[in-house]
Parts: sequence; structure tokens; C-alpha cells
Amino acid sequence: DQQVKQNSPSLSVQEGRISILNCDYTNSMFDYFLWYKKYPAEGPTFLISISSIKDKNEDGRFTVFLNKSAKHLSLHIVPSQPGDSAVYFCAASGTRGDDKIIFGKGTRLHILP
Amino acid sequence: DTGVSQDPRHKITKRGQNVTFRCDPISEHNRLYWYRQTLGQGPEFLTYFQNEAQLEKSRLLSDRFSAERPKGSFSTLEIQRTEQGDSAMYLCASRIGQTEQYFGPGTRLTVT
Repeated sequence: DQQVKQNSPSLSVQEGRISILNCDYTNSMFDYFLWYKKYPAEGPTFLISISSIKDKNEDGRFTVFLNKSAKHLSLHIVPSQPGDSAVYFCAASGTRGDDKIIFGKGTRLHILP
Repeated sequence: DTGVSQDPRHKITKRGQNVTFRCDPISEHNRLYWYRQTLGQGPEFLTYFQNEAQLEKSRLLSDRFSAERPKGSFSTLEIQRTEQGDSAMYLCASRIGQTEQYFGPGTRLTVT
């Protein structure tokens, strides 16, 4: 039973435009959400996170939005760059200090020239 | 800071053989995690250590799997009597305090 769902296996976006990656979760006990980015032959790299007490967190070109009532979060990348082409994993845990992180299946983002 | 390292990066083995993987965490990171990632899936939690103590094991970790972190530094993950279903990427991560988990490059296991 997938507790963290990324329903779009892939997404193609023109360079310079906005990339929006979506994620839904089912477990209302999740309190902390993360996005990881993964290139081929490398391990996942932490990108950005958000606590459930916030609805938005921004770091440079990356912004994560959380809609707790809808159990939905999204990652916005503006502007999209060629180096953003990667697989993006949405993940969740009970608290920031929680040791068990539940990952979604990932969305492959292609940035088109 | 050299990051989390894993060895080997690739392992091909025949069904029924035993394999062992090693993970070296970032120095001073007291927590170490093992995940498994199969094709089309995200990483799935297997187990984690705080220093040398193994504090949680997933139901995914069958009796054929054993993990150790004897001195609270590097860790090993052993799979006995490998099966084709064990073919996956095995990822190690480490952290200290409330920092995020930092992942290694993984060991890709292929069981033929």
C-alpha cells in the first residue's frame, strides 16, 4: 500500500519554464516531507524539505508547497535548467528526526532544450 | 568530507550464493541506514543503526539478510542464499542529529 504517491512517472518541460512535480500522501501522521533528486548511477541527493506547520518553503529556484488538508505537496522549479533532468522522489516521515522515511516511486523530469 | 561510500558498486552472483556489501558513512555520522530500490520503485527502508546498535528492521529484511555495524563506523549487509528477487540497488545513508540523510551511490546486485 503506497503511502506516498507520485502519479506521474515522467514529465517533460521546456528549458526556462516552470516544472511542477506533484505528490500525494495517505498517512495523516506524516509531519515532515522531503524531496530528493537522483541522477543515474548516483544515490539520491536531498533537495528541499517542509514541516507540516508550514505551507511553503523556498530555496533558490526550488519551492515546495504543502496542502495538508488535501494531503498534497508539490515541488516547483523555476526556471528549469538542463541540469534539473533527473528522477525526483517525494518522501515523508513522522517527524524531522524520524529515522524511517517513506519514499514515492519517483517522477523522471526531462528538461527540453 | 568524502561522502558516503559503498563497495562494491556492482555485484553479479549466482542464485544460492552469499554476498556482502560494505558502507562507509560520513565520518562522525552516528546513524546509518540501509535501503533497497527495485526498478520503478523508490528506496524502501530496510534497517538502521545508531552507533553500533541496530534499532529497527523492516519486514522486508528476511532471515537471509543480516546487517552489522560492529564498531559504530562502517556497516555490512549480508544476503545469504541469494534469490533472483534480491536483485536490486542497495543504498546506504547516514546522518547526525537532525540533519537529512545523505545517501551513497549504492551497490547494484544482479542475481542470475
